[in-house]
Amino acid sequence: ELKVEQNPLFLSMQEGKNYTIYCNYSTTSDRLYWYRQDPGKSLESLFVLLSNGAVKQEGRLMASLDTKARLSTLHITAAVHDLSATYFCAVDMVKAGTALIFGKGTTLSVSS
Amino acid sequence: NAGVTQTPKFQVLKTGQSMTLQCAQDMNHNSMYWYRQDPGMGLRLIYYSASEGTTDKGEVPNGYNVSRLNKREFSLRLESAAPSQTSVYFCASIIGQAGKDTQYFGPGTRLTVL
Repeated sequence: ELKVEQNPLFLSMQEGKNYTIYCNYSTTSDRLYWYRQDPGKSLESLFVLLSNGAVKQEGRLMASLDTKARLSTLHITAAVHDLSATYFCAVDMVKAGTALIFGKGTTLSVSS
Repeated sequence: NAGVTQTPKFQVLKTGQSMTLQCAQDMNHNSMYWYRQDPGMGLRLIYYSASEGTTDKGEVPNGYNVSRLNKREFSLRLESAAPSQTSVYFCASIIGQAGKDTQYFGPGTRLTVL
């Protein structure tokens, strides 16, 4: 059974600081996804990581994937208030097609 | 291009009532999914349909049934609603080529079972 664990589950940051969210998963997979969710809203895709060593960056967010360690990280650089949201990682559970198992999410609060 | 649409947006049911949540996508995607989201639990996969004519169970299928009506539409049915099914339900779709794309999510249906 595939399990996906994120930590921390809650993160309070000051503007301008850096931090990393971790996503560990329990079985072999080389496809990992990061999503953002604002309160009361749907999910928005941030990154799709499809191979070992994949690194993607968008603005102040950078995601990486280490399939051997079964670990993905989402690094936040110089946080700003607009990054306050819940971030989910999700791992593909099937070989054919796509079926995602999600972590419980990390709720990020950025304050000045 | 509306993306993924869901109806209704809100629903209140009494225990034992039945209802169907509707989902449609206009992106010509092959695969469609139903998730539920509960506080502190993330999203949990209920059922998915890798292609028209096929459906498979996800993590939490008990108490639900699904129908892939055609390529565009994927419905979720609660035959006898229970308070434990109070949740926000999200439908999602993906083009279906493994690893080629990300899932696109609908706006969600907030369901309360009294």
